[in-house]
Amino acid sequence: DGGITQSPKYLFRKEGQNVTLSCEQNLNHDAMYWYRQDPGQGLRLIYYSQIVNDFQKGDIAEGYSVSREKKESFPLTVTSAQKNPTAFYLCASSPWTSGRAGGNEQYFGPGTRLTVT
Amino acid sequence: AQSVTQLDSHVSVSEGTPVLLRCNYSSSYSPSLFWYVQHPNKGLQLLLKYTSAATLVKGINGFEAEFKKSETSFHLTKPSAHMSDAAEYFCVVSDGQAGTALIFGKGTTLSVSS
Repeated sequence: DGGITQSPKYLFRKEGQNVTLSCEQNLNHDAMYWYRQDPGQGLRLIYYSQIVNDFQKGDIAEGYSVSREKKESFPLTVTSAQKNPTAFYLCASSPWTSGRAGGNEQYFGPGTRLTVT
Repeated sequence: AQSVTQLDSHVSVSEGTPVLLRCNYSSSYSPSLFWYVQHPNKGLQLLLKYTSAATLVKGINGFEAEFKKSETSFHLTKPSAHMSDAAEYFCVVSDGQAGTALIFGKGTTLSVSS
């Protein structure tokens, strides 16, 4: 079964602790993304990676870090510097297509709900 | 710069009546446009996409959307709502280049009553 898995589904942490969210895909996609979702705000891009060992900041990267050591994996670390980390986090991936034929459709995982108290 | 505006934050319909979710976009390029659906505490599922082929795009579960360049709109419609359509819907724009990020609207919550 091809797809994107995120674990865990629910995560609880104390304020001041770093926490790492897992994202794995077996779709053989080159590009991977992390989004944050808050009620009424849509999805906002945290980081994205187009190829292994390379990644770029999105619109709200402060307080987050990522790595891309393998094509299949793109873990996100929420650091203690993130001022408001409680949110729903979504990972996505997309194939690399030449030109614009692919339309950049992205495939999403089921999400991880992080609660920090 | 690209942006997308979903004109209604909440739409309520009765089962069996038509659905219209409105979306306007702004893009410097000839854009790719998408509609995604999200059920509570789930990931996003692609409903349909426009990538400069036919302007009327048919998607899954009976949804369709029409790309109107003159109006910069990409409204989502369905002739007859079903209870299972109740969810949040996102209109999304992209410049279509592979590996670049999508720009999401803030979402429209669709409620369906019996």
